[in-house]
Amino acid sequence: DIQMTQSPSSLSASLGDGVTITCRASQNIKRHVNWYQQIPGKAPKLLIYSASSLESGVPAKFSGSGSGTDFTLTISSLQPEDFATYYCQQSYSFPHSFGQGTKVEIK
Amino acid sequence: EVQLVQSGAEVNKAGESLKISCMGSGDDFTNDWIAWVRQMPGKGLEWMGIIFLHDSETKYSPSFEGQVTISADKSISTAYLQWSSLKASDTAMYYCARQAYYASGTDFHSALDFWGQGTKVTVSS
Repeated sequence: DIQMTQSPSSLSASLGDGVTITCRASQNIKRHVNWYQQIPGKAPKLLIYSASSLESGVPAKFSGSGSGTDFTLTISSLQPEDFATYYCQQSYSFPHSFGQGTKVEIK
Repeated sequence: EVQLVQSGAEVNKAGESLKISCMGSGDDFTNDWIAWVRQMPGKGLEWMGIIFLHDSETKYSPSFEGQVTISADKSISTAYLQWSSLKASDTAMYYCARQAYYASGTDFHSALDFWGQGTKVTVSS
């Protein structure tokens, strides 16, 4: 099975800051990575698919990059609604495993 | 509007059986894959398995194979997750989600684009 390792597990940032979250796959998964946002008490929401494609309706402040084994999610100009937990997921082969999550908190 | 509506919260005892559901509406789900994802209290997302509604082909994560059964009734666009004998460690929120496919050059990529609201399962020992 493919393991997805996210870092950091948590980070603190101020309103208006930009942040970057990384995800490393245990093997080459080309660009088969998705990113999700989960606000406490809510279902996850798809932000990015195929490593860098923005899901419809998601603001352009979210961007993704990477291929092979190393991927990043960047969020620019943090607003209150962006403080949440973010997960990467590989969809290259079953089981479609998730990273352990990165909690973005207000400093 | 595409929606996945899950059955309500459950409180059960260890050893009991349970079946929860996920019904799709607002689209033709006949040719869709529906995934199940577990989230234990305070923890991250775990991919459990997925089912193709058209013919009920199923893929399980090795961590969950033999522990749960995923099934479907395509006539009502509904996927199910069931346990034959619950354990206290099954206490969690369970989400269903539709797997969408996106063309990328000559390749196809997939992602979970619509999610149910979650079903909270509490198992007491």
